Amino acid sequence: ETGVTQSPTHLIKTRGQQVTLRCSSQSGHNTVSWYQQALGQGPQFIFQYYREEENGRGNFPPRFSGLQFPNYSSELNVNALELDDSALYLCASRGMSGNEQFFGPGTRLTVL
Amino acid sequence: AQTVTQSQPEMSVQEAETVTLSCTYDTSESNYYLFWYKQPPSRQMILVIRQEAYKQQNATENRFSVNFQKAAKSFSLKISDSQLGDTAMYFCAFMKQVTGNQFYFGTGTSLTVIP
Repeated sequence: ETGVTQSPTHLIKTRGQQVTLRCSSQSGHNTVSWYQQALGQGPQFIFQYYREEENGRGNFPPRFSGLQFPNYSSELNVNALELDDSALYLCASRGMSGNEQFFGPGTRLTVL
Repeated sequence: AQTVTQSQPEMSVQEAETVTLSCTYDTSESNYYLFWYKQPPSRQMILVIRQEAYKQQNATENRFSVNFQKAAKSFSLKISDSQLGDTAMYFCAFMKQVTGNQFYFGTGTSLTVIP
């Protein structure tokens, strides 16, 4: 157990819809990152939030957006879903003094 | 740009034997961290071992050890006395030594431990 939780576990959406995925970080971890892991691939960095502001972004379009809240929870929002958005979405949190990321169990998103 | 390459998509090992997973990376940075993460079928990514690039000594965690060759940009993972619970996907990851920076992952190696 890493102390990082994600909800929901699984989600099925149709193309064009919007989705919100949630993550609860370890207490005291003020950095949260989101990753997309397509089937058979390694995780790809989407973006990172530090103290409620985005401070790093990977090669993902603006329809991927996020929020981080003071209570160590965060959200990943994806608008206008496409079939290629089907993947496992992982969040990972990190404290100020650490270089280790603690991952949640992920949300499996299927877009039909 | 940073890239991480794992050239072994699948590997298997007999229980109690030793196996080595390969990882190479490309970077122009001189200070960075390298990691091996394990992802069992339950999906939760778990840290196996971590190496700071400035340390010459190879990291060891119980049955897990690494062979870090900085000049060759190689970072292999050795698992000794393999156990059935070691069956999982293993990902090699790179992070620059900058606070709050992202991880770069390889494509993973699927390891199966055979009874």
